[in-house]
Amino acid sequence: GAVVSQHPSRVICKSGTSVKIECRSLDFQATTMFWYRQFPKQSLMLMATSNEGSKATYEQGVEKDKFLINHASLTLSTLTVTSAHPEDSSFYICSAEPGQGYEQYFGPGTRLTVT
Amino acid sequence: GIQVEQSPPDLILQEGANSTLRCNFSDSVNNLQWFHQNPWGQLINLFYIPSGTKQNGRLSATTVATERYSLLYISSSQTTDSGVYFCAVEGHYNNNDMRFGAGTRLTVKP
Repeated sequence: GAVVSQHPSRVICKSGTSVKIECRSLDFQATTMFWYRQFPKQSLMLMATSNEGSKATYEQGVEKDKFLINHASLTLSTLTVTSAHPEDSSFYICSAEPGQGYEQYFGPGTRLTVT
Repeated sequence: GIQVEQSPPDLILQEGANSTLRCNFSDSVNNLQWFHQNPWGQLINLFYIPSGTKQNGRLSATTVATERYSLLYISSSQTTDSGVYFCAVEGHYNNNDMRFGAGTRLTVKP
């Protein structure tokens, strides 16, 4: 099946710094990529949807200036958490799909801890 | 937006037992997927099943789109089946983003 990778898998950073997370579709082109956040013992919550070459669409309550998303190519999307704070500590998961209505493929996730 | 409800929220089984997990959704869907999240957080894609029935080993799933529900069957459960099972749907009018249910936490005891 299709593979989506994320890097890094785990990151610890200090409060006030920025962290970039990469999401790559390894063997298919993804017209759309999605970013989710999951707090402990909770479900996945969609943060934003990104289409290659256009601005991301953010869900209500997600600050676009804090969570910068770049989808520069059909195989790579990045999420940058700017000026991270302890409350941003979470599990971030990306997904990618070859086209609307197709199966979505999920990355292994990135665990962010802000100290 | 589309609502997704999963039941039961928690389920404890003895090894070897069978179980049925349910996912109800509030609107027409283009896509429905079942996932198993392992203890390391990885989402394992079990089924892509916007309609119909599929089987994969001890697991099978059925989606009745007209009645807006999907069922995941686990037969002869094993301790390695433990974890959280999520149902996620892409609503027909959702602009292709997936909405997750709250999940069912399954514990299989030896």
